[in-house]
Amino acid sequence: QKEVEQNSGPLSVPEGAIASLNCTYSDRGSQSFFWYRQYSGKSPELIMSIYSNGDKEDGRFTAQLNKASQYVSLLIRDSQPSDSATYLCAVKDSGYSTLTFGKGTMLLVSP
Amino acid sequence: DGGITQSPKYLFRKEGQNVTLSCEQNLNHDAMYWYRQDPGQGLRLIYYSQIVNDFQKGDIAEGYSVSREKKESFPLTVTSAQKNPTAFYLCASSSSPLAGGYEQYFGPGTRLTVT
Repeated sequence: QKEVEQNSGPLSVPEGAIASLNCTYSDRGSQSFFWYRQYSGKSPELIMSIYSNGDKEDGRFTAQLNKASQYVSLLIRDSQPSDSATYLCAVKDSGYSTLTFGKGTMLLVSP
Repeated sequence: DGGITQSPKYLFRKEGQNVTLSCEQNLNHDAMYWYRQDPGQGLRLIYYSQIVNDFQKGDIAEGYSVSREKKESFPLTVTSAQKNPTAFYLCASSSSPLAGGYEQYFGPGTRLTVT
């Protein structure tokens, strides 16, 4: 059974700080990784995808991937109260076109 | 505007009744997916379809059925055999997973309550 693990949180950070969200996965053959943001009561929204080891930056967001350690993270710089949401990590299943999702980490950014 | 629509937003049914949830996309995406989400839980895959007239079971297909007669549409039927149907149902699509387009985009979801 493929597993994607995330700390459920909540992760509380003050406005302006860096939020660090982490995810580990069990499928060693996985090659594609995604971060989604889900506001309470809403559907998930894709914010980042990463396929290669290293960092990928998009605005205030940086995704980091380490396939050897089976670890992917999302950094949010200059956190804003509007970033308060649940962040879902998703991993493409090797050999299939489906994704396995973690249960998500709740992020709370206080003004 | 391109996107994925799901209807209705809220749905209430009595136990023992079948109910069909609608999902339509105008993104010209090949693949479509159905997930359910329960409070505090991640998304669990119910069914997916990579091309028209073909679909595969996901991790929790029991008590559900789907069809994919048109590229744009992927309706989900929750049957009376589904033991705990109350959940948030999410439809997603991706461009061309068979060619490497794996990013999935979600519709707004349907909240189903069965009493």
